[in-house]
Amino acid sequence: DAGVTQSPTHLIKTRGQQVTLRCSPKSGHDTVSWYQQALGQGPQFIFQYYEEEERQRGNFPDRFSGHQFPNYSSELNVNALLLGDSALYLCASSSGGVTYEQYFGPGTRLTVT
Amino acid sequence: QKEVEQNSGPLSVPEGAIASLNCTYSDRGSQSFFWYRQYSGKSPELIMSIYSNGDKEDGRFTAQLNKASQYVSLLIRDSQPSDSATYLCAARNTGGFKTIFGAGTRLFVKA
Repeated sequence: DAGVTQSPTHLIKTRGQQVTLRCSPKSGHDTVSWYQQALGQGPQFIFQYYEEEERQRGNFPDRFSGHQFPNYSSELNVNALLLGDSALYLCASSSGGVTYEQYFGPGTRLTVT
Repeated sequence: QKEVEQNSGPLSVPEGAIASLNCTYSDRGSQSFFWYRQYSGKSPELIMSIYSNGDKEDGRFTAQLNKASQYVSLLIRDSQPSDSATYLCAARNTGGFKTIFGAGTRLFVKA
């Protein structure tokens, strides 16, 4: 049973550049949520995708956008990178049902220089 | 601002002792609660979920929920050095899809 996968593992970008992170959900899951985790902090909710639509969004600027594909995989795009965007980006998958238990992927460590 | 609060620790306990981790939440609409364990440099791993008032046990772990007091706790019995990690408390409200995490409590289990 494949778990949540994310790519790439690590990424170094320069301020002003754009980045795309990818996530494949756990088998049987149809919902993908993205989180940003700064050092020493808990994960902060960016947005959630279900049925290829953004279902809810956290307090993040429009520079953060996403997409979900028919196979439930998802992308997170960040434009005009700032130094403060350096963080661990986590993808979590769940099923659309009641329990909403989320399972995290290994994360992508983004460093902006 | 709806929040989840945790004592940042570190909480240090001897091997074999009971570790008690606490969490409070501000949104009375919260209905689902989760405990995650996160090792340094790794992603969070789901340990327990709890939805009703009372206790829920799974192996060495017991989650406790008191909605009237807006309080969630996690007890780890017979603590092992391998339990040393950051423990994240999370809450989600009914009908919402956003999960709010606390900043985590660092636990050290001394051999």
